[in-house]
Amino acid sequence: SAVISQKPSRDICQRGTSLTIQCQVDSQVTMMFWYRQQPGQSLTLIATANQGSEATYESGFVIDKFPISRPNLTFSTLTVSNMSPEDSSIYLCSVSGQETYEQYFGPGTRLTVT
Amino acid sequence: ELKVEQNPLFLSMQEGKNYTIYCNYSTTSDRLYWYRQDPGKSLESLFVLLSNGAVKQEGRLMASLDTKARLSTLHITAAVHDLSATYFCAVSRTYKYIFGTGTRLKVLA
Repeated sequence: SAVISQKPSRDICQRGTSLTIQCQVDSQVTMMFWYRQQPGQSLTLIATANQGSEATYESGFVIDKFPISRPNLTFSTLTVSNMSPEDSSIYLCSVSGQETYEQYFGPGTRLTVT
Repeated sequence: ELKVEQNPLFLSMQEGKNYTIYCNYSTTSDRLYWYRQDPGKSLESLFVLLSNGAVKQEGRLMASLDTKARLSTLHITAAVHDLSATYFCAVSRTYKYIFGTGTRLKVLA
């Protein structure tokens, strides 16, 4: 399994501002994923981030709102842009094991937009 | 479109009782995963089920997979308070997960 850290662990932000969330893994991984978990809900995949290529976004998520960087095999960032209260969620990054595709999740970033 | 449904959504049970959580998915998939999430915490991997008929057990939890019925079950035996959490199943097609709706379990002393 992989050890994953995220920064910040939580933040309270004002409407209209942007927040960048960092995800660091203790080993090199090909695929990293970003999820959103709205209060009391399940997880929804935002995008898949592979090193050296553009992130692949899921339906309902766009690059202008959630730009992602993947500069190397151990690090990725997700920016939540022009925030509104509807963006209040937990944002989680995960990485995938190669054989079983089992995903390991970071501790999450709890975002509150006021 | 792949959809994953769990039932029940909420489950309140007495300590010592048995119960089963069901995970149904809509299209073919070969891999199914179970996770546990405690309040305010991230997801902890419980089981990885990779083939039809797979059964895995850890402590009071047992998971099984029937790919023909597109059904996985998570069986809880003699529940204890420490099992109170939200349980998610997830189905994968290649590397992408689709998560189930989640089952919020509360075990009452």
